[in-house]
Amino acid sequence: SAVISQKPSRDICQRGTSLTIQCQVDSQVTMMFWYRQQPGQSLTLIATANQGSEATYESGFVIDKFPISRPNLTFSTLTVSNMSPEDSSIYLCSAKGYSGTDTQYFGPGTRLTVL
Amino acid sequence: DAKTTQPNSMESNEEEPVHLPCNHSTISGTDYIHWYRQLPSQGPEYVIHGLTSNVNNRMASLAIAEDRKSSTLILHRATLRDAAVYYCSTGSYNQGGKLIFGQGTELSVKP
Repeated sequence: SAVISQKPSRDICQRGTSLTIQCQVDSQVTMMFWYRQQPGQSLTLIATANQGSEATYESGFVIDKFPISRPNLTFSTLTVSNMSPEDSSIYLCSAKGYSGTDTQYFGPGTRLTVL
Repeated sequence: DAKTTQPNSMESNEEEPVHLPCNHSTISGTDYIHWYRQLPSQGPEYVIHGLTSNVNNRMASLAIAEDRKSSTLILHRATLRDAAVYYCSTGSYNQGGKLIFGQGTELSVKP
């Protein structure tokens, strides 16, 4: 199994600012993902964080708004840029091996409130 | 990406079995079916996954229809700690296993 930590656990930000969320995995993993969970909703995949290359974004999400870095096999960051109140959500990091059979583990999430 | 459909909520009595259904009629032949559950203020927790055959582990059982268009998560004896939102998802084998989540079923357990 993998243990995933996220920083910060929560934050309150002003409109127009940016926040970078960090995700740390306690073991080397192949795949890392970022999800958004809006209040009372399910999880929506934002992007796959690729090590050493640009992230792969899902439909409706763009790099300018959600830049992602993954400098090594255990660490990734997600930045929420030029925030608006609509960005208020929980942002979750997850990690797994490459095989489709591998279990995906999730971090505890970062609760973001934009005023 | 295969879409999944689940009932919004279900109720169960403590120590009784619970059957949580999921429809995934557009699932491809290589997609796995994954189940996760989420307690309030926590990240999702892995429950079980499978491809074609029924699967059992210490937490639950997964029954997969022969045509793979639906599946059922079975909790054999519900406890109060099983009260959570249960998500059915499909994982693409060929895209690194990214998961597409359904809307989830909120399970409440009555003592």
